[in-house]
Amino acid sequence: QLRLQESGPGLVKPSETLSLTCTVSSGSINAHCWNWVRQPAGKGLEWIGRVSTSGSTNYNPSLKSRVTMSVDTSKNQFSLKLNSVTAADTAFYFCTRDKGDHYFDQWGQGTLVTVSS
Amino acid sequence: DVHMTQSPSTLSASVGDRITITCRASQNVNRGLVWFQYKPGEAPKPLIYLASNLESGVPSRFSGSGSGTEFTLTISSLQPDDFSTYYCQQYNTYPLTFGGGTKVEIK
Repeated sequence: QLRLQESGPGLVKPSETLSLTCTVSSGSINAHCWNWVRQPAGKGLEWIGRVSTSGSTNYNPSLKSRVTMSVDTSKNQFSLKLNSVTAADTAFYFCTRDKGDHYFDQWGQGTLVTVSS
Repeated sequence: DVHMTQSPSTLSASVGDRITITCRASQNVNRGLVWFQYKPGEAPKPLIYLASNLESGVPSRFSGSGSGTEFTLTISSLQPDDFSTYYCQQYNTYPLTFGGGTKVEIK
């Protein structure tokens, strides 16, 4: 069973860059697409963006100016960078897989990132 | 953006009840809709994809229907493990968007 595990700092200072990694285990990262989704406490889910193993990306326009996603196939990992963070970026962050059809068939458990000084 | 309106936001029910959750899209998403179950601390679990296809391993008491702008998730006989939060999500159009969630709680 494919497993996704998010990792990264749980606390980020305002104006700095949030960096998260998703490690894919029990399966290959190749030939699929990988997404990030977030949920601020008490609020709805928001799709952040998608990266393919060829390196092509699609980002939510609401975050596009601050987001960078990439894939490292040698490590079976993909990553998210969100710059210039504010308290509004405090959320649970999830990584997901889609097989090219945008349907998220696998999710990680999520990781909480808090933006605070 | 496609706005997904899910109702009800909270549903109180008993074990054995049949329940239905509705998701409405602000524009046509064809059949590009998934229902998933979320319990805090766990990975969200897809239940139904392409509006009506049961994901492998998901009990047959779960079913989905609809296309275009109106969709439903039905649980035919609620089991103790089913008390959680359910979300719809459209994956037909960028940006991908989610419903606000339905919390199914014990009556």
